[in-house]
Amino acid sequence: GQQVMQIPQYQHVQEGEDFTTYCNSSTTLSNIQWYKQRPGGHPVFLIQLVKSGEVKKQKRLTFQFGEAKKNSSLHITATQTTDVGTYFCALFGNEKLTFGTGTRLTIIP
Amino acid sequence: ETGVTQSPTHLIKTRGQQVTLRCSSQSGHNTVSWYQQALGQGPQFIFQYYREEENGRGNFPPRFSGLQFPNYSSELNVNALELDDSALYLCASSLRLAYSEQYFGPGTRLTVT
Repeated sequence: GQQVMQIPQYQHVQEGEDFTTYCNSSTTLSNIQWYKQRPGGHPVFLIQLVKSGEVKKQKRLTFQFGEAKKNSSLHITATQTTDVGTYFCALFGNEKLTFGTGTRLTIIP
Repeated sequence: ETGVTQSPTHLIKTRGQQVTLRCSSQSGHNTVSWYQQALGQGPQFIFQYYREEENGRGNFPPRFSGLQFPNYSSELNVNALELDDSALYLCASSLRLAYSEQYFGPGTRLTVT
């Protein structure tokens, strides 16, 4: 089945700095979803991308889907302590979500 | 909050025992999926139920089984518990669409000793 690799595994940033996580696949993806999981919490849906080259913004968060639909990124501008958590990309296919390995973001105040 | 509820919140079982976990889906959703999340890992798909039928299954042995009821709530049953079954079990409800966002419940933390 299709798999998605996510980098980096961990990211520590000073509050106010930017943060980016990348999701890569060796095959063309039909879609990408992004989820955020706070420490001790459950995954929460952020966004879904389906079109080649698609860019979507949610306040300080910018999501991109690559032109070849083999990669995606999530960029957070000026991080805040509320951004702490693990960010997962996930592929929806064959009735299931296949999650990436996740990027754990910690913020240094 | 998603409106998806799970019970119990925490559970401790002994190796070899059986466990039943419960999930109530969000109003209007007809599909329930179950995921296992080991510590520090991403969620792994166990199976999905749609209209009371299993609609897809991940790489989990038959001792993991489930049910969906007419009100779309669901149960996950695990027999002959093993130490490696210790994990957070998440259910997610959704509509059965081509690309469907999943609404996760808070999870049940299962510890097998």
